[in-house]
Amino acid sequence: RKEVEQDPGPFNVPEGATVAFNCTYSNSASQSFFWYRQDCRKEPKLLMSVYSSGNEDGRFTAQLNRASQYISLLIRDSKLSDSATYLCVVNRGYGGSQGNLIFGKGTKLSVKP
Amino acid sequence: EPEVTQTPSHQVTQMGQEVILRCVPISNHLYFYWYRQILGQKVEFLVSFYNNEISEKSEIFDDQFSVERPDGSNFTLKIRSTKLEDSAMYFCASSDGQANTGELFFGEGSRLTVL
Repeated sequence: RKEVEQDPGPFNVPEGATVAFNCTYSNSASQSFFWYRQDCRKEPKLLMSVYSSGNEDGRFTAQLNRASQYISLLIRDSKLSDSATYLCVVNRGYGGSQGNLIFGKGTKLSVKP
Repeated sequence: EPEVTQTPSHQVTQMGQEVILRCVPISNHLYFYWYRQILGQKVEFLVSFYNNEISEKSEIFDDQFSVERPDGSNFTLKIRSTKLEDSAMYFCASSDGQANTGELFFGEGSRLTVL
């Protein structure tokens, strides 16, 4: 099983659509979970952290299910500017430094007018 | 807004040559990292650096790699004898070390092409 697994997409959606991304991770010792965004040929940027209680930031909602080792991201009312690759990221845990992050390969989103 | 800066943005080198990639982390950050991303692949952790020493390194970070903080601002990655498979985008990142924020600030990357 891959350490962090995501549907590669691409997801092609019209503006205003709601889109959901899923991610599974294999390391049960991971303690921190994130969604990063990466534009084409650019650096990753933190979109949001993911907490067990679920959390929302504007149009973005993230959920974590530790028992299933499953993370999700929901984007509502998608904008053209949301077009990017969304990276599911977990920390390595078991004493690994907090910056030792395991990235998924990413899910590509393309929002069309 | 403070940012991580990297130079060069693109370097082309011959196999077997030494390469030094440079980074200036955000000034009040204490933790520094190098990641790499081979074209079309995932971002991979190479090494973390804190208090002037390596705190953790991955299997990728073998003896041909080294890092250094030669002064108070620069953080460098040296690849001693480059191989074709070292061709990738190398990202420097820094963080302030706040537990569980997980927010690493990445530079724009240095693209290394080994011929």
